[in-house]
Amino acid sequence: ETGVTQSPTHLIKTRGQQVTLRCSSQSGHNTVSWYQQALGQGPQFIFQYYREEENGRGNFPPRFSGLQFPNYSSELNVNALELDDSALYLCASSSIGISDTQYFGPGTRLTVL
Amino acid sequence: DQQVKQNSPSLSVQEGRISILNCDYTNSMFDYFLWYKKYPAEGPTFLISISSIKDKNEDGRFTVFLNKSAKHLSLHIVPSQPGDSAVYFCAAKLDTDKLIFGTGTRLQVFP
Repeated sequence: ETGVTQSPTHLIKTRGQQVTLRCSSQSGHNTVSWYQQALGQGPQFIFQYYREEENGRGNFPPRFSGLQFPNYSSELNVNALELDDSALYLCASSSIGISDTQYFGPGTRLTVL
Repeated sequence: DQQVKQNSPSLSVQEGRISILNCDYTNSMFDYFLWYKKYPAEGPTFLISISSIKDKNEDGRFTVFLNKSAKHLSLHIVPSQPGDSAVYFCAAKLDTDKLIFGTGTRLQVFP
């Protein structure tokens, strides 16, 4: 059984640029959630995708957007990057209706200069 | 507004003794609670969970206790091992499947 994978591992961007992060969900899971973890904080919920539709959103501006594909993989896009967007971005997969547990990938470390 | 709180940023325990990590929450609508362990440069690893209809769940060395009247849960690790040294996050779920995390407790287990 393949776990949750994320790419790239690290990324450096400059303020104002756009970035795309990718996530492959665990085999058998139909839901992907994205979280942002700033230094010294717990992960903060960005949004969740289920059946290719957004299924809930946290307190993040519209420049944070996402996609889910038919194979349940997902992308997180961030436009007009700001310095405060520097964080670890975590993807978690789960199966709505089967289990309440979310399983996390290793994360993508984004640095905005 | 911090709905899930871990008030102890760090905890140091001797190998073989019990580690007790605490978590408080404010929203009585939370229906599921989870504990995750996180090593540096890795994603959180799921440890153990508990439904709001139970008050205890056990899995090997790990036991989670839930006190709904006090809005408090705790994770007990017995016996503690050096490999348990990590940051532990408590998380709570609403029916939307969104997880709300605490700020974490860094556990150090020394020989």
